[in-house]
Amino acid sequence: GENVEQHPSTLSVQEGDSAVIKCTYSDSASNYFPWYKQELGKRPQLIIDIRSNVGEKKDQRIAVTLNKTAKHFSLHITETQPEDSAVYFCAAIDTGTASKLTFGTGTRLQVTL
Amino acid sequence: GAVVSQHPSWVICKSGTSVKIECRSLDFQATTMFWYRQFPKQSLMLMATSNEGSKATYEQGVEKDKFLINHASLTLSTLTVTSAHPEDSSFYICSARRREQPQHFGDGTRLSIL
Repeated sequence: GENVEQHPSTLSVQEGDSAVIKCTYSDSASNYFPWYKQELGKRPQLIIDIRSNVGEKKDQRIAVTLNKTAKHFSLHITETQPEDSAVYFCAAIDTGTASKLTFGTGTRLQVTL
Repeated sequence: GAVVSQHPSWVICKSGTSVKIECRSLDFQATTMFWYRQFPKQSLMLMATSNEGSKATYEQGVEKDKFLINHASLTLSTLTVTSAHPEDSSFYICSARRREQPQHFGDGTRLSIL
């Protein structure tokens, strides 16, 4: 089955700096990679996703890159703001054969003033 | 956008009580619903996958007789924690998706067993 590793587990950045979270996956057949943001006690919210036929996707201050050869994908947040503080989860799935997402272990991002 | 509603949001009950949690997809028909458990400062742990009209598929280590899942329609799935004990206290989250579409999560249910 799929195995997703996520680093770092905690990340502290100053407001305005960039934050990068990295994930690796094991199943080369995985073709869909969503990122979720979870604030304390709340639901995970889909913030961006990427499919395997695309190398990079951007949505305002958030971008995701995918390297299929190396089997890793990353979340990039630029110009960080205090409201970006949350736990971020990456996930991977082979939508052709699997029904369930495999999640990373999460990264706790703290944006300090 | 896709909306998933989960109720109740918070339950406190005595040990031995059975608790039912509902998960509804409000504006789409969910071909698959998922139930997760999340302990503090940990990732989401998948408990079971539920397809409408068929039996749920449980993950290894999850007791199907303790965590009863019913997916009677394309918009409703329920999780019943039977004879709950303090070790069952956790944050339970459902999610739903249409085929080939992203998963969307409910608000979660915080279960506290005294």
